[in-house]
Amino acid sequence: QKEVEQDPGPLSVPEGAIVSLNCTYSNSAFQYFMWYRQYSRKGPELLMYTYSSGNKEDGRFTAQVDKSSKYISLFIRDSQPSDSATYLCAMRRMDSSYKLIFGSGTRLLVRP
Amino acid sequence: SQTIHQWPATLVQPVGSPLSLECTVEGTSNPNLYWYRQAAGRGLQLLFYSVGIGQISSEVPQNLSASRPQDRQFILSSKKLLLSDSGFYLCAWTTAVAGYTFGSGTRLTVV
Repeated sequence: QKEVEQDPGPLSVPEGAIVSLNCTYSNSAFQYFMWYRQYSRKGPELLMYTYSSGNKEDGRFTAQVDKSSKYISLFIRDSQPSDSATYLCAMRRMDSSYKLIFGSGTRLLVRP
Repeated sequence: SQTIHQWPATLVQPVGSPLSLECTVEGTSNPNLYWYRQAAGRGLQLLFYSVGIGQISSEVPQNLSASRPQDRQFILSSKKLLLSDSGFYLCAWTTAVAGYTFGSGTRLTVV
């Protein structure tokens, strides 16, 4: 079993839709949770970062962490064609190596 | 501000040839440095990480090695490339409890 599971998609939605992206994990020691966006042939860029459980909002993006269920989500409101990319969840323990464990990524397509 | 440089952007190498990919970070000191590989349509696989000069931890037994000769320089090498070494190689750094910053990546094709 992988430590982090993520549906690969693709997920196709019309412009303006609310998008929900999710990951589950098995290691209860994970404390830091992140979402990255990766455009084709580019390096991932950090979108959201959350420590422990709770919600965090940044513009059209909201990240949620439910540690009791080992489940994290990223919501995108008013989705735009420019949001079309692969979204990767990532998480790590609280230790000095700072190693991030990534999900396999969900490909999102926002149709104009 | 901190920046990360990774080169070359694209590389086509024959099987059995050597490899050297370089990554440098600017604007920070004593970063943790990482090499990841991303196969087509798949997630990121951690290959090596380093918490300091000369300190290398290997995550996956393979045909590759890494070195950190200077604080902000991280090198990925191979003596003889295999077809299975093809992929998208990403360097990343972090110094804080937040996420990584990635370089722009090197797309390696072994032919």
